[in-house]
Amino acid sequence: SSELTQDPAVSVALGQTVRITCQGDSLRNYYTTWYQQKPGQAPVLVIYGKNNRPSGIPDRFSVSRSGNTASLTITGAQAEDEADYYCNSRDSSDNPHFVFGTGTKVTVL
Amino acid sequence: EVHLVESGGGLVQPGGSLRLSCAASGFTFSDYWMSWVRQAPGKGLEWVANINQDGSEESYVESVKGRFTISRDNAKNSLYLHMNSLRAEDTAVYYCARAPYSYGTRSFDYWGQGTLVTVSS
Repeated sequence: SSELTQDPAVSVALGQTVRITCQGDSLRNYYTTWYQQKPGQAPVLVIYGKNNRPSGIPDRFSVSRSGNTASLTITGAQAEDEADYYCNSRDSSDNPHFVFGTGTKVTVL
Repeated sequence: EVHLVESGGGLVQPGGSLRLSCAASGFTFSDYWMSWVRQAPGKGLEWVANINQDGSEESYVESVKGRFTISRDNAKNSLYLHMNSLRAEDTAVYYCARAPYSYGTRSFDYWGQGTLVTVSS
């Protein structure tokens, strides 16, 4: 099965921009979804598809992709954005399996 | 408003069994694929299983294949995860999630609050 690799941790100054990357072979063929998880809480979907945000997710969250890498960008990070972020994608066309990235802890300084 | 509420977690001995339930409300349950996702203590998310709208298609992560069974009862708006031959490494918070199709893949757009399964003697 595929693997999705993320940097373990990144930090960003309040109001600045941070990019979180996700690498994996399956990303060449499938869109990535992104989830935010705060301590003790269930994950929350923040981005899906080309650049779609569910209701209530601010537009400072955006995504891009190139080759086997997908990126989640937070433009103008806020204190409430401090959380773990996970990417997710379909494993391959041969099976309807899904795989999550290893997760990135974002700290807002 | 969409609500997913898991139940059935607890402490079980290695080799034991447990059935998790997820009660859904606020949407037409029978219209959606559903999934189970777990998270071991201090670890990341792991997709466990999917089931399609009428229960005719199931898929599992390799590590639980043959031990876990996902099922649903659309009349009761409920999702289940039957877990057998439990191992210490199955210890995790188990989340149920709605899994609509989008852009060639599935997103998990609503999640329950999770139920903790602890496998220990």
